[in-house]
Amino acid sequence: EAGVAQSPRYKIIEKRQSVAFWCNPISGHATLYWYQQILGQGPKLLIQFQNNGVVDDSQLPKDRFSAERLKGVDSTLKIQPAKLEDSAVYLCASSGGGGAGETQYFGPGTRLLVL
Amino acid sequence: AQSVSQHNHHVILSEAASLELGCNYSYGGTVNLFWYVQYPGQHLQLLLKYFSGDPLVKGIKGFEAEFIKSKFSFNLRKPSVQWSDTAEYFCAVNVNSRDDKIIFGKGTRLHILP
Repeated sequence: EAGVAQSPRYKIIEKRQSVAFWCNPISGHATLYWYQQILGQGPKLLIQFQNNGVVDDSQLPKDRFSAERLKGVDSTLKIQPAKLEDSAVYLCASSGGGGAGETQYFGPGTRLLVL
Repeated sequence: AQSVSQHNHHVILSEAASLELGCNYSYGGTVNLFWYVQYPGQHLQLLLKYFSGDPLVKGIKGFEAEFIKSKFSFNLRKPSVQWSDTAEYFCAVNVNSRDDKIIFGKGTRLHILP
């Protein structure tokens, strides 16, 4: 079974530039998550999709971050404009959407460095 | 707000030593608990999880964790560690009975000396 795919793996940009990350979840998984993991911390949920609808985006900085999952499969996360503090690993995860406690499967992440 | 605390940020052990990594959560209701592991250069992956029933949960690679409700704890243990257990370990909690959203702790970086 193919895992969660993410691209690019690494990205270096200057502050105020824009950047986009792509995620393809495990086939058939209804729920998709984007996390931000700053060095030395655990992953922090940015946004959760159930199919193509947003379930929770309470921690997404909406003035600069946006995400979409138009067809309920793959998803993009965009930052515009980027700030220095956005330097982090951006993780995508998916799950079957069966409810509480279901296992989330993580992709390799995109490591973003903002200069 | 719910939170997860991992007491040790960095642990160094020799091979064959016993391991216990602490995890506490703050939430008074029903929880589902997880330990995830990230080996060097690899994805985050599930080590074990607790839903209900026997509070002693066994996971992959000889790991186990015990849920102690009265202490709001879910400590991870392994009787004899190996060099290949070098990794970062994350405790996580799901507090919403309607979905599978989880909150992670800050992680514990474990380094095993050969």
